[in-house]
Amino acid sequence: DAGVTQSPTHLIKTRGQQVTLRCSPKSGHDTVSWYQQALGQGPQFIFQYYEEEERQRGNFPDRFSGHQFPNYSSELNVNALLLGDSALYLCASSLGRGLPYEQYFGPGTRLTVT
Amino acid sequence: AQSVSQHNHHVILSEAASLELGCNYSYGGTVNLFWYVQYPGQHLQLLLKYFSGDPLVKGIKGFEAEFIKSKFSFNLRKPSVQWSDTAEYFCAVNAGDGNNRLAFGKGNQVVVIP
Repeated sequence: DAGVTQSPTHLIKTRGQQVTLRCSPKSGHDTVSWYQQALGQGPQFIFQYYEEEERQRGNFPDRFSGHQFPNYSSELNVNALLLGDSALYLCASSLGRGLPYEQYFGPGTRLTVT
Repeated sequence: AQSVSQHNHHVILSEAASLELGCNYSYGGTVNLFWYVQYPGQHLQLLLKYFSGDPLVKGIKGFEAEFIKSKFSFNLRKPSVQWSDTAEYFCAVNAGDGNNRLAFGKGNQVVVIP
């Protein structure tokens, strides 16, 4: 049973560029959440997708957007990259919206903006 | 919005010593509480969780945590640590209102010396 997978593992981009990160949820899970983890900090919630719609959003600007596909996989897009966007981006999947199921995390994508 | 506080970001202790990590949250309603662990080079894994019932919960690898509602706390404990417990530990909270977005603390970096 595959857990949460994310691609790519590492990414280097230049300021102003755009980036797309990908996530496949754990088998059977239908809800995907994205988190940003800056160095030395805990993960911060970006947004959550369920039934192909953004259901909740944290305190992140509109430069951060996402998508969920019919197979429950998800993408995180960041436009107009800033140096401060350098971080580990984590995807987490869970089963069902509105229920306190635990979230399973992927290994993350390390984004470096130069 | 919920916030989570973890103190003593860096903890160094010897094998067989006892470990206690504090976690306090600010949210007045019903909460679900979690401790996640991140071993070196690995992704976040769930150590234990509290949804309701017995406030003393037991997790994997001999860890336990106690929910004290009056103190808004969910402290993690292990009576005797091993070198393999070297990791970063994160406390996380979500409001028990149907939204399962997690608010994380900044984490505790624990180093166990053999």
